[in-house]
Amino acid sequence: DTEVTQTPKHLVMGMTNKKSLKCEQHMGHRAMYWYKQKAKKPPELMFVYSYEKLSINESVPSRFSPECPNSSLLNLHLHALQPEDSALYLCASSQDRGVNTIYFGEGSWLTVV
Amino acid sequence: AQRVTQPEKLLSVFKGAPVELKCNYSYSGSPELFWYVQYSRQRLQLLLRHISRESIKGFTADLNKGETSFHLKKPFAQEEDSAMYYCAFPGNYGQNFVFGPGTRLSVLP
Repeated sequence: DTEVTQTPKHLVMGMTNKKSLKCEQHMGHRAMYWYKQKAKKPPELMFVYSYEKLSINESVPSRFSPECPNSSLLNLHLHALQPEDSALYLCASSQDRGVNTIYFGEGSWLTVV
Repeated sequence: AQRVTQPEKLLSVFKGAPVELKCNYSYSGSPELFWYVQYSRQRLQLLLRHISRESIKGFTADLNKGETSFHLKKPFAQEEDSAMYYCAFPGNYGQNFVFGPGTRLSVLP
C-alpha cells in the first residue's frame, strides 16, 4: 500500500461548525504533514508530526488543531473557520530520516460558508 | 533566503515539440532539488529528484550549479504531460518541502 488516504474529499462547513479532516497511511512512515493549497498556488506547510509528536507548526491559527492518534493516522480539527480558509488541504507522509520523498493524499476540498 | 523560482506561470507547446520548464534556485550549501507534478484531479506526486538522476516519463533534469538552475526537460511532449509542475527543495526543518510557484504545462494537439 503506497497511498495516503484522505477523508472527506469535499467538506462544506459554516463558520460556527466543528469538523475534522482525516488522513491515513500504511507505509510505515513516521513523519506526517498537513499542507494547505489555495487555487493556482503551491502547497504551503501547516504542520509536521514526527514520531507522533508535533515538530513543526508554521504559525497556523489555533482554529486549526492537528492530532496524531497513532503512527498511521493524522487528523485536522477545524473550528470557527473563516471563508478565507477555504482551500485544498493536503496530507502527506514520509520516512522520518532526513530528506525523503513525500507522498501526498488527494486532498480534502474545504469550503467555509 | 533559500527559495526556488519558476519564471513561467503557463507554458504551451505542441505535441511532439521539446519542452523545458525552468527552475532557478537560491540556496546555500549543496542543493537537493525535486520536481513534483500535479495532474488534473490527481494527487501531487514526485516526478524526479536530482540526486537519483533518473528519467521518469521521459523527463530529465540536470542540476547546473553555475547557473543555479534545475530545469525540467523532455524532448517530445505528449498531451498527457499537461499538468502543473512544481520545483521543490527541503525546507529549513529538513523534513518539509518548499514548493516554487509552479508552471502549468499545456500540450496542444
